[in-house]
Amino acid sequence: TQLLEQSPQFLSIQEGENLTVYCNSSSVFSSLQWYRQEPGEGPVLLVTVVTGGEVKKLKRLTFQFGDARKDSSLHITAAQPGDTGLYLCAGGLTGNQFYFGTGTSLTVIP
Amino acid sequence: NAGVTQTPKFRILKIGQSMTLQCTQDMNHNYMYWYRQDPGMGLKLIYYSVGAGITDKGEVPNGYNVSRSTTEDFPLRLELAAPSQTSVYFCASSRGLKQETQYFGPGTRLLVL
Repeated sequence: TQLLEQSPQFLSIQEGENLTVYCNSSSVFSSLQWYRQEPGEGPVLLVTVVTGGEVKKLKRLTFQFGDARKDSSLHITAAQPGDTGLYLCAGGLTGNQFYFGTGTSLTVIP
Repeated sequence: NAGVTQTPKFRILKIGQSMTLQCTQDMNHNYMYWYRQDPGMGLKLIYYSVGAGITDKGEVPNGYNVSRSTTEDFPLRLELAAPSQTSVYFCASSRGLKQETQYFGPGTRLLVL
Protein backbone atom coordinates (compact mmCIF):
# COMPACT_ATOMS: atom_id res chain seq x y z
CA THR A 1 0.00 0.00 0.00
CA GLN A 2 1.13 3.51 -0.78
CA LEU A 3 0.75 6.09 1.96
CA LEU A 4 0.74 9.03 -0.44
CA GLU A 5 -1.09 8.83 -3.75
CA GLN A 6 -0.33 11.32 -6.49
CA SER A 7 -2.49 12.17 -9.46
CA PRO A 8 -2.28 12.21 -12.31
CA GLN A 9 0.50 9.68 -12.78
CA PHE A 10 1.38 11.06 -16.22
CA LEU A 11 0.70 14.49 -17.69
CA SER A 12 1.60 15.82 -21.12
CA ILE A 13 0.72 19.43 -21.91
CA GLN A 14 1.58 22.22 -24.32
CA GLU A 15 3.88 25.04 -23.34
CA GLY A 16 1.92 27.90 -21.78
CA GLU A 17 -0.83 25.75 -20.26
CA ASN A 18 -1.59 25.57 -16.55
CA LEU A 19 -1.67 22.35 -14.54
CA THR A 20 -2.28 21.01 -11.05
CA VAL A 21 -0.77 17.92 -9.44
CA TYR A 22 -2.34 16.37 -6.35
CA CYS A 23 -0.89 14.47 -3.42
CA ASN A 24 -3.43 12.73 -1.17
CA SER A 25 -3.38 10.57 1.92
CA SER A 26 -5.62 9.40 4.74
CA SER A 27 -2.80 10.15 7.20
CA VAL A 28 -1.99 13.45 8.85
CA PHE A 29 1.52 14.71 8.20
CA SER A 30 3.62 17.06 10.28
CA SER A 31 5.24 18.42 7.14
CA LEU A 32 5.13 17.86 3.43
CA GLN A 33 7.78 18.40 0.80
CA TRP A 34 7.73 18.57 -2.99
CA TYR A 35 10.70 17.42 -5.05
CA ARG A 36 11.47 17.47 -8.77
CA GLN A 37 13.56 14.73 -10.32
CA GLU A 38 15.12 14.80 -13.78
CA PRO A 39 16.12 11.61 -15.65
CA GLY A 40 19.31 10.04 -14.31
CA GLU A 41 19.47 12.33 -11.28
CA GLY A 42 18.33 12.38 -7.69
CA PRO A 43 15.32 14.40 -6.51
CA VAL A 44 15.83 18.09 -5.68
CA LEU A 45 13.73 19.83 -3.04
CA LEU A 46 11.34 22.52 -4.26
CA VAL A 47 9.46 23.45 -1.09
CA THR A 48 8.52 22.38 2.44
CA VAL A 49 5.12 23.21 3.96
CA VAL A 50 4.36 22.64 7.62
CA THR A 51 1.13 24.47 8.53
CA GLY A 52 -2.37 23.38 7.51
CA GLY A 53 -3.67 25.72 4.80
CA GLU A 54 -0.21 27.07 4.07
CA VAL A 55 0.42 28.39 0.56
CA LYS A 56 3.92 28.93 -0.82
CA LYS A 57 4.90 30.36 -4.19
CA LEU A 58 8.07 29.71 -6.10
CA LYS A 59 7.98 31.80 -9.27
CA ARG A 60 5.31 30.08 -11.42
CA LEU A 61 4.80 27.22 -8.94
CA THR A 62 2.21 27.43 -6.16
CA PHE A 63 2.14 24.84 -3.39
CA GLN A 64 -0.71 24.37 -0.94
CA PHE A 65 -0.93 22.18 2.17
CA GLY A 66 -4.45 21.03 2.98
CA ASP A 67 -6.18 22.40 6.07
CA ALA A 68 -6.20 18.95 7.67
CA ARG A 69 -2.58 18.30 6.62
CA LYS A 70 -3.58 15.17 4.71
CA ASP A 71 -3.14 16.47 1.18
CA SER A 72 -1.26 18.94 -0.95
CA SER A 73 -1.33 20.38 -4.42
CA LEU A 74 1.20 21.84 -6.82
CA HIS A 75 -0.04 24.30 -9.43
CA ILE A 76 2.16 25.41 -12.32
CA THR A 77 1.19 28.49 -14.30
CA ALA A 78 2.24 28.88 -17.93
CA ALA A 79 4.27 25.66 -18.03
CA GLN A 80 7.61 25.72 -19.83
CA PRO A 81 9.70 22.84 -21.27
CA GLY A 82 12.14 23.32 -18.38
CA ASP A 83 9.36 22.20 -16.01
CA THR A 84 9.51 18.70 -17.48
CA GLY A 85 10.36 16.09 -14.87
CA LEU A 86 9.06 13.76 -12.20
CA TYR A 87 7.33 15.56 -9.32
CA LEU A 88 7.33 13.79 -5.98
CA CYS A 89 5.60 14.68 -2.75
CA ALA A 90 6.98 13.40 0.55
CA GLY A 91 5.33 13.51 3.95
CA GLY A 92 6.84 13.36 7.40
CA LEU A 93 5.09 11.33 10.10
CA THR A 94 6.40 10.47 13.55
CA GLY A 95 10.01 9.51 13.89
CA ASN A 96 12.65 10.22 11.32
CA GLN A 97 11.05 8.76 8.20
CA PHE A 98 9.71 10.39 5.10
CA TYR A 99 7.16 8.66 2.91
CA PHE A 100 7.28 9.48 -0.78
CA GLY A 101 4.35 9.58 -3.15
CA THR A 102 4.07 7.61 -6.36
CA GLY A 103 5.16 10.56 -8.49
CA THR A 104 3.73 12.57 -11.39
CA SER A 105 5.67 12.53 -14.64
CA LEU A 106 5.21 15.86 -16.42
CA THR A 107 6.12 16.53 -20.03
CA VAL A 108 5.80 20.05 -21.41
CA ILE A 109 5.79 20.12 -25.19
CA PRO A 110 7.30 23.21 -26.86
CA ASN B 1 31.79 20.75 -2.01
CA ALA B 2 30.61 17.62 -3.88
CA GLY B 3 27.44 17.03 -1.81
CA VAL B 4 26.36 13.38 -1.87
CA THR B 5 28.33 10.98 -4.04
CA GLN B 6 27.45 7.39 -4.88
CA THR B 7 29.41 4.58 -6.47
CA PRO B 8 29.05 2.66 -8.67
CA LYS B 9 26.66 4.34 -11.13
CA PHE B 10 25.58 1.06 -12.67
CA ARG B 11 26.09 -2.59 -11.80
CA ILE B 12 24.88 -5.95 -13.03
CA LEU B 13 24.78 -8.76 -10.46
CA LYS B 14 24.01 -12.42 -10.75
CA ILE B 15 21.48 -13.96 -8.38
CA GLY B 16 23.16 -14.79 -5.07
CA GLN B 17 26.09 -12.40 -5.47
CA SER B 18 26.89 -9.73 -2.92
CA MET B 19 27.88 -6.12 -3.28
CA THR B 20 28.21 -2.86 -1.39
CA LEU B 21 26.80 0.42 -2.62
CA GLN B 22 28.93 3.31 -1.44
CA CYS B 23 27.60 6.68 -0.28
CA THR B 24 29.62 9.65 0.96
CA GLN B 25 28.55 13.17 1.92
CA ASP B 26 30.79 16.15 2.65
CA MET B 27 28.20 18.44 4.28
CA ASN B 28 28.73 17.14 7.82
CA HIS B 29 25.10 16.01 7.97
CA ASN B 30 24.05 13.78 10.83
CA TYR B 31 21.14 12.16 8.99
CA MET B 32 21.62 9.80 6.08
CA TYR B 33 19.14 7.65 4.16
CA TRP B 34 18.97 4.87 1.60
CA TYR B 35 16.00 4.70 -0.76
CA ARG B 36 15.09 2.49 -3.66
CA GLN B 37 13.04 3.73 -6.58
CA ASP B 38 11.02 1.35 -8.71
CA PRO B 39 9.03 2.49 -11.77
CA GLY B 40 5.68 3.93 -10.77
CA MET B 41 6.32 3.36 -7.07
CA GLY B 42 8.07 6.52 -5.92
CA LEU B 43 10.89 6.13 -3.39
CA LYS B 44 10.83 3.72 -0.48
CA LEU B 45 13.09 4.05 2.54
CA ILE B 46 15.38 1.07 3.16
CA TYR B 47 17.49 2.20 6.11
CA TYR B 48 18.42 5.45 7.74
CA SER B 49 20.96 6.74 10.25
CA VAL B 50 20.77 9.63 12.69
CA GLY B 51 24.49 9.67 13.38
CA ALA B 52 27.66 7.60 13.40
CA GLY B 53 27.01 4.24 15.00
CA ILE B 54 23.20 4.58 14.88
CA THR B 55 21.06 2.98 12.18
CA ASP B 56 17.43 1.95 11.90
CA LYS B 57 15.12 0.14 9.49
CA GLY B 58 12.85 1.90 7.06
CA GLU B 59 9.89 0.56 5.09
CA VAL B 60 11.70 -2.12 3.07
CA PRO B 61 14.85 -3.31 4.90
CA ASN B 62 14.72 -7.04 4.07
CA GLY B 63 17.74 -8.23 2.08
CA TYR B 64 19.88 -5.21 2.99
CA ASN B 65 22.30 -4.19 5.71
CA VAL B 66 23.95 -0.90 6.59
CA SER B 67 26.65 0.47 8.84
CA ARG B 68 27.67 4.00 9.83
CA SER B 69 31.16 4.13 11.26
CA THR B 70 31.79 7.77 10.26
CA THR B 71 29.65 10.86 9.72
CA GLU B 72 30.58 10.93 6.03
CA ASP B 73 29.97 7.35 4.90
CA PHE B 74 26.84 5.20 4.83
CA PRO B 75 27.34 2.02 2.77
CA LEU B 76 24.48 -0.29 1.83
CA ARG B 77 25.19 -4.00 1.65
CA LEU B 78 23.29 -6.58 -0.43
CA GLU B 79 24.23 -10.04 0.79
CA LEU B 80 22.37 -12.39 -1.57
CA ALA B 81 21.13 -10.48 -4.58
CA ALA B 82 17.66 -11.34 -5.88
CA PRO B 83 15.83 -10.16 -9.01
CA SER B 84 13.41 -8.25 -6.75
CA GLN B 85 16.33 -5.99 -5.80
CA THR B 86 16.64 -4.67 -9.34
CA SER B 87 16.06 -0.97 -8.83
CA VAL B 88 17.65 2.45 -8.68
CA TYR B 89 19.16 3.19 -5.28
CA PHE B 90 19.47 6.71 -3.91
CA CYS B 91 21.43 7.87 -0.91
CA ALA B 92 20.46 11.12 0.77
CA SER B 93 21.56 13.23 3.70
CA SER B 94 20.04 16.01 5.76
CA ARG B 95 21.10 18.29 8.57
CA GLY B 96 18.18 17.43 10.81
CA LEU B 97 14.69 16.07 11.01
CA LYS B 98 11.62 16.12 8.78
CA GLN B 99 11.51 19.77 7.83
CA GLU B 100 15.07 19.77 6.64
CA THR B 101 16.10 19.45 3.01
CA GLN B 102 17.23 16.02 1.94
CA TYR B 103 20.14 16.16 -0.52
CA PHE B 104 20.22 13.22 -2.87
CA GLY B 105 23.06 11.56 -4.69
CA PRO B 106 22.88 10.72 -8.41
CA GLY B 107 21.80 7.14 -7.80
CA THR B 108 23.08 3.62 -8.47
CA ARG B 109 21.24 1.56 -11.08
CA LEU B 110 21.33 -2.13 -10.14
CA LEU B 111 20.26 -5.01 -12.33
CA VAL B 112 20.07 -8.51 -10.85
CA LEU B 113 19.89 -11.32 -13.39
